[in-house]
Amino acid sequence: DAGVTQSPTHLIKTRGQQVTLRCSPKSGHDTVSWYQQALGQGPQFIFQYYEEEERQRGNFPDRFSGHQFPNYSSELNVNALLLGDSALYLCASSLLRGGRQFFGPGTRLTVL
Amino acid sequence: KNEVEQSPQNLTAQEGEFITINCSYSVGISALHWLQQHPGGGIVSLFMLSSGKKKHGRLIATINIQEKHSSLHITASHPRDSAVYICAASGGATNKLIFGTGTLLAVQP
Repeated sequence: DAGVTQSPTHLIKTRGQQVTLRCSPKSGHDTVSWYQQALGQGPQFIFQYYEEEERQRGNFPDRFSGHQFPNYSSELNVNALLLGDSALYLCASSLLRGGRQFFGPGTRLTVL
Repeated sequence: KNEVEQSPQNLTAQEGEFITINCSYSVGISALHWLQQHPGGGIVSLFMLSSGKKKHGRLIATINIQEKHSSLHITASHPRDSAVYICAASGGATNKLIFGTGTLLAVQP
């Protein structure tokens, strides 16, 4: 049983570019949450997807958008990248009704 | 003031010592999570608890709902326990996690 997978593992972009990060949830999970973890900080909630809809959003600008597909996998898109977007982006899957969240290995994004 | 506070921020222990990491929260929660993160790595969920105490191997997690406080204990610590330990609170319709800032634990042989 594969756990949560994310791709790519590392990514380097320049300011102003756009990026798409991908996440496949743990088998049987229907809910995907995205978190941003800046260096030396705790993760911050970006948004959560269930049934292909965004259920809740953290304090992130509209440059951050997402999508969930019928197979429950999800994408995180960031437009007009800023230097401050450099971080580890973590995807976590769970069941809507609750329970433990299982995290992927993360995507390390560096914006130059 | 953060909604989830952890202490200490940094902890150095000798192999074999008993370790305690504390977490206080100010929000209403449905559950309190303890997570482990190795340098450069992803996050592993250790415990999710809403009351009482849970044990897994050398790890023990407790929570006091009335005092809004939780502790993570590691018995007979080992260098492989070295990592960042994070507590996080979940609640609300989405059970999103609100993270503490983490405790960096180094266990020396």
